[in-house]
Amino acid sequence: GENVEQHPSTLSVQEGDSAVIKCTYSDSASNYFPWYKQELGKGPQLIIDIRSNVGEKKDQRIAVTLNKTAKHFSLHITETQPEDSAVYFCAASIGRDDKIIFGKGTRLHILP
Amino acid sequence: DAGVIQSPRHEVTEMGQEVTLRCKPISGHNSLFWYRQTMMRGLELLIYFNNNVPIDDSGMPEDRFSAKMPNASFSTLKIQPSEPRDSAVYFCASRPGQQNIQYFGAGTRLSVL
Repeated sequence: GENVEQHPSTLSVQEGDSAVIKCTYSDSASNYFPWYKQELGKGPQLIIDIRSNVGEKKDQRIAVTLNKTAKHFSLHITETQPEDSAVYFCAASIGRDDKIIFGKGTRLHILP
Repeated sequence: DAGVIQSPRHEVTEMGQEVTLRCKPISGHNSLFWYRQTMMRGLELLIYFNNNVPIDDSGMPEDRFSAKMPNASFSTLKIQPSEPRDSAVYFCASRPGQQNIQYFGAGTRLSVL
């Protein structure tokens, strides 16, 4: 069935450095790719999303890139700060956008 | 807006008992999703509703699980009888009709002893 793979499962970066999280998806019909951030004890919150007609999208320190040919998409966080420490999930739409399936998550640690 | 509201936040019960989780979606949203989160399996979609109608329940693990949405402002997820392997965090999310963005509640942490 449809699948989203996410790597790495854990990532530690020095404060101020950049973090990159990568995902691949299996459904060639996927056309919507959101990224969610989950802080301890809370539900996931959308931080950025991209549609298949766009290759890159940026919002302040976060950016997402999409390669539809390779079925890859990535999250880039620059100038990392302590409050960026959380679990990040990528996701991809399946079917007619009614459902999204999530990757297993990346636990990001920002080191002081 | 208060966002998606789930209750209870924590539930501890004994094996064999019935458990009911509750969700109030954001007003005006017409899609509602129930997810289960575990370390091993991550975030799994259990069931979702459009305009109070169940659309896809293929993620519901067994007949012990059932979900209802009697009106646009309330949904329940019921487990009867509960088992220790049902222990997880259960999330409800809602989505407005013209967007893809899902808004999650804070979740219910269920422990079945």
